[in-house]
This record gives sequence, C-alpha cells and structure tokens, in this order.
Amino acid sequence: GAGVSQSPRYKVAKRGQDVALRCDPISGHVSLFWYQQALGQGPEFLTYFQNEAQLDKSGLPSDRFFAERPEGSVSTLKIQRTQQEDSAVYLCASSLTGADTQYFGPGTRLTVL
Amino acid sequence: GENVEQHPSTLSVQEGDSAVIKCTYSDSASNYFPWYKQELGKRPQLIIDIRSNVGEKKDQRIAVTLNKTAKHFSLHITETQPEDSAVYFCADDGGTSYGKLTFGQGTILTVHP
Repeated sequence: GAGVSQSPRYKVAKRGQDVALRCDPISGHVSLFWYQQALGQGPEFLTYFQNEAQLDKSGLPSDRFFAERPEGSVSTLKIQRTQQEDSAVYLCASSLTGADTQYFGPGTRLTVL
Repeated sequence: GENVEQHPSTLSVQEGDSAVIKCTYSDSASNYFPWYKQELGKRPQLIIDIRSNVGEKKDQRIAVTLNKTAKHFSLHITETQPEDSAVYFCADDGGTSYGKLTFGQGTILTVHP
C-alpha cells in the first residue's frame, strides 16, 4: 500500500518568507509525528498528533512554527518568517497507534537563503 | 529530557565481518527501542526493534540486545554486505504512551567489498 508521502520534496525560501510543508500519512493511522533532521544529525521531535488533537508540541523551536491536522489525516507544518537556522529536512511519520512502529515519509528539505 | 548516546559515529568493516553499534539511554521508563537505517537522501526505515520485556531479538543477519539495568542496547549485523552501508540510528520512546522517539546521533557504516 501507499506509504507516508510529503510535499514538496525540496523547498528554497528567502529569509523572512513563510513556508507550508504537507504530510499525507498512511490511511487509517491515528498517530502523526513531525521531526526535524539537521545535516549529519538524528531526527529531533517537533510535535505529535492523535487524530486531529495536537497532544505534544514541546519540540517546536519557536512560536514561528505551527502544525495542524484539522481532519485527522493530512497534516501541515507551517514556518513563519523563516530563518537560516530553520534549514533542515522535515520528516513526518505515522503509526497505527501511539505505541506502534513509526513509518517515515521521504522528508522535505528546506533551505533558507 | 531524554538523552540517547550512540557509538561509534563511524564504522568501517570488510564485507563478511560483523558490525556492532551501541546506544545508552537516560530514562529508565523507556520501553521501546527501534533501530532505523537511512540511506543518503532517503527516509529512515525501521530494521528491527525491541521492547523492554525482551532481552534479545533476531531477524536473519540482524539482532538487537537490551540491558535495562545498564540502560544500553546494541545492534549487531553479521555477514555484512556492501548494501548494508548507510547511517544507522537508534532511538527510544522515553516511556511515553504515544511513542515520542528520541534518536541517537547516528553511525555511518561503510562495508568495503
């Protein structure tokens, strides 16, 4: 079946621009996670959704980062007024329930100039 | 917060040799310990995982061992092949009910033919 998909795969933004990154989880998966992966590092947790409820947003680095999952399926990660330090790969993962295997999407590579 | 330390950061072996990667974690409440393989520019893919009620798990050439007392777990790859070359990440769930993963820094494994 279809895995987790993300779009766009690559995004170049000028400093100060807003960006929106999309995640399509595996159909039926209740849990959805966003991670940030800097070059040469492991993924770092940003936020977690159970259906449409955002239950943990402790990893969001600043109030410029906002995530939503309004209908409990597709999720969008929005970054306002992008900064150079926001440059990273943003990974989305979904799991059937919270305690199950997380399946990752291919990521969106964000470059802020 | 939870901390996962991974060693070594790079590992170079000859084809057919074994490779071992070790991780230590800080939160004694951690219950779930997955290992992901990430090829360059690709998504992380789960290769094996273990839960806290088990000390060892094996899947063909790959095995994971867990020592909860010492708070460390290890990945063992036997009869390595060039296609095993990738970055490997360990992770744990920090005891969260929803599976929030904290990742190690990664190990670059190179298998020389």
